[in-house]
Amino acid sequence: EAQVTQNPRYLITVTGKKLTVTCSQNMNHEYMSWYRQDPGLGLRQIYYSMNVEVTDKGDVPEGYKVSRKEKRNFPLILESPSPNQTSLYFCASSFSGFEKLFFGSGTQLSVL
Amino acid sequence: AQSVTQPDIHITVSEGASLELRCNYSYGATPYLFWYVQSPGQGLQLLLKYFSGDTLVQGIKGFEAEFKRSQSSFNLRKPSVHWSDAAEYFCAVGRQGAQKLVFGQGTRLTINP
Repeated sequence: EAQVTQNPRYLITVTGKKLTVTCSQNMNHEYMSWYRQDPGLGLRQIYYSMNVEVTDKGDVPEGYKVSRKEKRNFPLILESPSPNQTSLYFCASSFSGFEKLFFGSGTQLSVL
Repeated sequence: AQSVTQPDIHITVSEGASLELRCNYSYGATPYLFWYVQSPGQGLQLLLKYFSGDTLVQGIKGFEAEFKRSQSSFNLRKPSVHWSDAAEYFCAVGRQGAQKLVFGQGTRLTINP
């Protein structure tokens, strides 16, 4: 089944403790992206990747890192999480650009 | 800069009634426009998109949307809603050559039986 898989689904952590949210797609997509969803703000792009080893900042990249070492994986790294990063995170992928994005089920992150 | 406004945060309609969700965008050139739906606890799913051509586009699940350049709008419609349409709906705009979508704030749809 074609899908974008994010893990974990829920995560509670404390300020400053490094964490990684994984994202994997099995559709051989070139493009991958991370979004955060906050009430009243919709989805905002954090980072995106056009292909392996090619990443770029979205609208809200501060406090986040990404890497794209393999085509299928695009992990999101929070090296020192803070409470303002409490949010619902989505990974998405597509064959190219934003033409048709496939989304994962989301990761609800709480930073205490 | 691109922006998207969905004026209605929450809409309630009765099952079987018609639906229209509003979306206004701000962008200088011809935009790429999208509607996504997010069911509870799920990721987003593409309903329909407009790139060019016929301004009335058909999507999945019986939805359609009309691009009106003069009003900078891309409203989503459905003639008769079903209880399973209860979800959050997001309008989004992209531009050629860029690699990101800008999403609206979302409209939560509740269906009364």
